[in-house]
Amino acid sequence: EDQVTQSPEALRLQEGESSSLNCSYTVSGLRGLFWYRQDPGKGPEFLFTLYSAGEEKEKERLKATLTKKESFLHITAPKPEDSATYLCAVQPLTGNTGKLIFGQGTTLQVKP
Amino acid sequence: DTEVTQTPKHLVMGMTNKKSLKCEQHMGHRAMYWYKQKAKKPPELMFVYSYEKLSINESVPSRFSPECPNSSLLNLHLHALQPEDSALYLCASSQIWGLTYEQYFGPGTRLTVT
Repeated sequence: EDQVTQSPEALRLQEGESSSLNCSYTVSGLRGLFWYRQDPGKGPEFLFTLYSAGEEKEKERLKATLTKKESFLHITAPKPEDSATYLCAVQPLTGNTGKLIFGQGTTLQVKP
Repeated sequence: DTEVTQTPKHLVMGMTNKKSLKCEQHMGHRAMYWYKQKAKKPPELMFVYSYEKLSINESVPSRFSPECPNSSLLNLHLHALQPEDSALYLCASSQIWGLTYEQYFGPGTRLTVT
């Protein structure tokens, strides 16, 4: 069964304290892995797409990496405005659909 | 421009009311989606439209009725809802489905059923 697990469930950091969020997945073939940021009461905001193991993408203080079993979202020197829930989703290779399998999310709080 | 718009932002309706949620995108995407999201949970897929045709219905109750009038618009008609249907309803769009294309989400409609 295709599955996505994110850890930790919640993370509290001090401003400037770098850390990583984990997204582990089991899927019968990966078409793509997506990272989204979601602020309370708003729609998810697209961050990155990763397609194959070894791929890395960066945007400001965020860097996403991908292996055959998991993805990491590294946050370097975070600021309070980085506080949000970060969602990981995978699109399986099987089935010609746009259906995404989401993880439960990691809620990040960055304190000044 | 990667904007998906949704109206209204908030909606309160009684269990006997009929209302509609609207979604619009001008990115030329040919796949559009409706999701339901409860607090502290990830989005849950409801419907997928591809080339204005319904391609996926995730066993959603018939009190939710989707409609795709054209390639830019997506509606969700609501009738005889239950209090447990209260949630954030999200619309998303993507380039042609079947390939790895990211979905872009709208801001959502916060629905409260009284």
